[in-house]
Amino acid sequence: AQSVAQPEDQVNVAEGNPLTVKCTYSVSGNPYLFWYVQYPNRGLQFLLKYITGDNLVKGSYGFEAEFNKSQTSFHLKKPSALVSDSALYFCAVRDNGGNEKLTFGTGTRLTIIP
Amino acid sequence: EPEVTQTPSHQVTQMGQEVILRCVPISNHLYFYWYRQILGQKVEFLVSFYNNEISEKSEIFDDQFSVERPDGSNFTLKIRSTKLEDSAMYFCASSRGTGNAGELFFGEGSRLTVL
Repeated sequence: AQSVAQPEDQVNVAEGNPLTVKCTYSVSGNPYLFWYVQYPNRGLQFLLKYITGDNLVKGSYGFEAEFNKSQTSFHLKKPSALVSDSALYFCAVRDNGGNEKLTFGTGTRLTIIP
Repeated sequence: EPEVTQTPSHQVTQMGQEVILRCVPISNHLYFYWYRQILGQKVEFLVSFYNNEISEKSEIFDDQFSVERPDGSNFTLKIRSTKLEDSAMYFCASSRGTGNAGELFFGEGSRLTVL
């Protein structure tokens, strides 16, 4: 079984400050990890993914995420938050054993305060 | 940039009625999915479809649900007899099929309201 935990329902950050959105995962094999963003009344947009290689992956809109195997984490980060980053963020996981299902976390609402 | 398109954007139906939600995946993609999201909360997997058959489904995807790719471009989700708890946003997604490392591309969703 595979699962994702996003421990924070809500994260508030002042504009210009660094932001972190937390994610931990559980899979039976090696993980493929993804971050998606959802703006109000819109679909999910792909931000970035970790498959293999460098633990720090860079994605769209200046976001990056760090894979930490020992802590089974994949936290999303950005050095300087913008008001336009305010949205709902979902972490997702799939194992590398042929399973196609992508399992999502419960989401974290990020609010950037001007 | 190619995208996944879904219709209708919003459908209101009476309990017990049949509903068909339609999706046009990205043209060179091989894997297709339906997910649902209730009240902007958790995104739940319903079903995956590959090579004209269901490859995986969740416990939510019971006998009331079915999927079809009738003409090589559309991918549909049918709910035979809707229940109040089927009210949700339904998202279609597709992926290229580069093993299971490929990301999913989602449509904008179809909001289903069951009265």
